[in-house]
Amino acid sequence: DTEVTQTPKHLVMGMTNKKSLKCEQHMGHRAMYWYKQKAKKPPELMFVYSYEKLSINESVPSRFSPECPNSSLLNLHLHALQPEDSALYLCASSPPSGGPPTDTQYFGPGTRLTVL
Amino acid sequence: GQNIDQPTEMTATEGAIVQINCTYQTSGFNGLFWYQQHAGEAPTFLSYNVLDGLEEKGRFSSFLSRSKGYSYLLLKELQMKDSASYLCAVWGFKTIFGAGTRLFVKA
Repeated sequence: DTEVTQTPKHLVMGMTNKKSLKCEQHMGHRAMYWYKQKAKKPPELMFVYSYEKLSINESVPSRFSPECPNSSLLNLHLHALQPEDSALYLCASSPPSGGPPTDTQYFGPGTRLTVL
Repeated sequence: GQNIDQPTEMTATEGAIVQINCTYQTSGFNGLFWYQQHAGEAPTFLSYNVLDGLEEKGRFSSFLSRSKGYSYLLLKELQMKDSASYLCAVWGFKTIFGAGTRLFVKA
């Protein structure tokens, strides 16, 4: 299995809803990432998990809450979002040492989120 | 801090060669990556450079000069499907993506 999967592909939610994004990889990667990407802009790093521990939080608002239940799964819990949070949310993972550089990132297809 | 500069857009002809430049400033450097991103899709890893010099991978090559803070991605024998954004990403304490260069390949 050489891919990162994300569900759902599309999500529309109201500002009072609670929803979750899911990311999964079975490549034995030990680092996983959440990015937010707006149209015609580069991906913006939100969170990094390394060996299931949160290692980087880029001062993301608390309405975004990451969770890493195990080394293959990464969730992003969403609550009370704003319309400006509408974006493509990308998950990525990167391999342990011994091959390409350990920050080489393999991206999932993303979840396109619309907040009404 | 980190700063990455790439041209915003480039146009090239099918079958030609195009070079996409990237200059960067970073307080720490572990490597530089190039990603391809088609509109509406996720970025795809293309290549990496850790040491100075040229890395070749089929129609794609990437060059790095750490002393100059400079890299380029060379695409040969351009095909229409190469029309995409090309993102330069610098790995320091963390990886930061440049704004990307949108490449248009015309017939």
